[in-house]
Amino acid sequence: EDQVTQSPEALRLQEGESSSLNCSYTVSGLRGLFWYRQDPGKGPEFLFTLYSAGEEKEKERLKATLTKKESFLHITAPKPEDSATYLCAVQAGAGTASKITFGTGTRLQVTL
Amino acid sequence: GAVVSQHPSWVICKSGTSVKIECRSLDFQATTMFWYRQFPKQSLMLMATSNEGSKATYEQGVEKDKFLINHASLTLSTLTVTSAHPEDSSFYICSARESGSSSEQYFGPGTRLTVT
Repeated sequence: EDQVTQSPEALRLQEGESSSLNCSYTVSGLRGLFWYRQDPGKGPEFLFTLYSAGEEKEKERLKATLTKKESFLHITAPKPEDSATYLCAVQAGAGTASKITFGTGTRLQVTL
Repeated sequence: GAVVSQHPSWVICKSGTSVKIECRSLDFQATTMFWYRQFPKQSLMLMATSNEGSKATYEQGVEKDKFLINHASLTLSTLTVTSAHPEDSSFYICSARESGSSSEQYFGPGTRLTVT
């Protein structure tokens, strides 16, 4: 069974204090690892897709990396507007039968 | 691009009634759509996978007769919660995967269902 574990469960940072969120996964036949941002009462917003170990992607203050066992979401000099829950998900299976399994998320709060 | 809408955004209904939630892909065609349920401070739990023109595939433990899914076109899937009970109160989120793509899913804004 595919498993996704995110840590920490919650993280509080001061503005400008860089940190990393972890996503460990166990899956048979990884097709992709996804990072989403979710604000309270809203649907997840797509951030990144990573397909193979060693791959990195960046968007503004966020950088996602991938190894064979885990992924990190690095947040550089965060701002209060980066406060949200960050969800990691893995996709396994083939073609239209593939589905995504989500982790429980990391709730990030960035204070002034 | 890749916008998914849901309607309604919130609904309150009485116990025993049925509620229909719509999920639309606005600027792309989606052969496959997914329905998730999310409880407060918990992650998304996949309920069912909806394929256009065929029966939905339900996850273990999800009652197909209670959660009716219809995917009649490449841009619309509906979830009907039949004979709703208070324990069905939750945040329901749909996502859509663009036809021909096997990767990213784009999520709708969610529907908050409260059953009284």
